[in-house]
Amino acid sequence: QVQLQESGPGLVKPSQTLSLTCTVSGDSMTSNIYYWSWVRQPAGKGLEYLGRISNSGNTNYNPSLNSRVTISVDTSKKQFSLKLSSVTAADTAVYYCATLRLGQLSFGSWGQGTPVTVSS
Amino acid sequence: QSVLTQPPSVSGAPGQRVTISCTGSSSNIGAGYKIHWYQHLVGKAPKLIISGNNNRPSGVPDRFSGSQSGASASLAITGLQAEDEADYYCQSYDSSLSGVVFGGGTKLTVL
Repeated sequence: QVQLQESGPGLVKPSQTLSLTCTVSGDSMTSNIYYWSWVRQPAGKGLEYLGRISNSGNTNYNPSLNSRVTISVDTSKKQFSLKLSSVTAADTAVYYCATLRLGQLSFGSWGQGTPVTVSS
Repeated sequence: QSVLTQPPSVSGAPGQRVTISCTGSSSNIGAGYKIHWYQHLVGKAPKLIISGNNNRPSGVPDRFSGSQSGASASLAITGLQAEDEADYYCQSYDSSLSGVVFGGGTKLTVL
């Protein structure tokens, strides 16, 4: 079973870039079974898909984020990362990293989630 | 406004059966893309409970089942238990958006 752990600052100032990293254990990240993805949940709202990356670097992003999101992967470190630029208070949320199974496109394993607040 | 529409809340007494609907369109569920369901307890990570329309991952009780017809899907929970109280989300793929989409979520209250 894949285990995931998010890490990064819990507080980001408006207009700055939010940066989070997800560390993977229990999978080599090269097996072509999963996409590596990010999902968030603003307080009092539902789950929102942010994007995903394959182990070869192929990405797919939620178009509603207006090109503010970038996901990268470093399989040698067994990590993938999220960057969200020009943040506002609306980006305050719990951020989850998760595995997205190729083909079926279901999220099988999740990190515990990390809260990020955007505030000056 | 979510691409997949779920009722905001449902409720039921212990032992009862409840269903949660998920209505999509011809670019997602209606196009044949699989529907998946997640249980989200407060303070925890979401958990996949139904994948590929009606497959339960290991460890998920058979009280949970899924179905799909046309552009809609449903999650059924039988023998309702207090521990089932949670938020439930449907999820699929949308070809118009070229990406994964979630429903808005349904809060299940066990009376």
